[in-house]
Amino acid sequence: DQQVKQNSPSLSVQEGRISILNCDYTNSMFDYFLWYKKYPAEGPTFLISISSIKDKNEDGRFTVFLNKSAKHLSLHIVPSQPGDSAVYFCAASSGLGQKLVFGQGTRLTINP
Amino acid sequence: GAVVSQHPSWVICKSGTSVKIECRSLDFQATTMFWYRQFPKQSLMLMATSNEGSKATYEQGVEKDKFLINHASLTLSTLTVTSAHPEDSSFYICSAMGGRGTGELFFGEGSRLTVL
Repeated sequence: DQQVKQNSPSLSVQEGRISILNCDYTNSMFDYFLWYKKYPAEGPTFLISISSIKDKNEDGRFTVFLNKSAKHLSLHIVPSQPGDSAVYFCAASSGLGQKLVFGQGTRLTINP
Repeated sequence: GAVVSQHPSWVICKSGTSVKIECRSLDFQATTMFWYRQFPKQSLMLMATSNEGSKATYEQGVEKDKFLINHASLTLSTLTVTSAHPEDSSFYICSAMGGRGTGELFFGEGSRLTVL
């Protein structure tokens, strides 16, 4: 049972445009959501998080939106840069300090 | 940000041997560390939660006698793959909760295990 789903295995965006990565979850107990970026043969790097009491969190070029009623969150990257090319994982937990459940990941490619 | 270091970053071993992977939190104390496994083009699967001074909590389907976890100090957790077989070949990643109370996990660099 995949509790966190990233239905797009890959996404290609032109440099300078907006990248939108989507994530859906099924467990209504999840109340904390995170996005991680991962390069091959490296550990994931934390990008941004959001708790269920918010619907938006912004950090520089990265914005995460949360729609609790739809059990959906998205990561917006604008403007997209070549260095953003990586695999992006969304993750969810039922609270701070609880174990994370990861989505399958979306490979983002930024084209010059 | 917090730094988590894993060692070795890659290891090749013969079938039947045991391999130990270390995970260290370099600038903070981590009472809880997590061990993940990633197969090619797949998600990170939580294997176990490592608690300092107590037994690890394993996820369903993970053999605790095969994947031995020891969390002897607040900065070190080890994963030992015992009697490794080719199907154990994978990318193993540890993580630890940062000290700022934000809930974010900091991940090690990962360890690529290849069992011949």
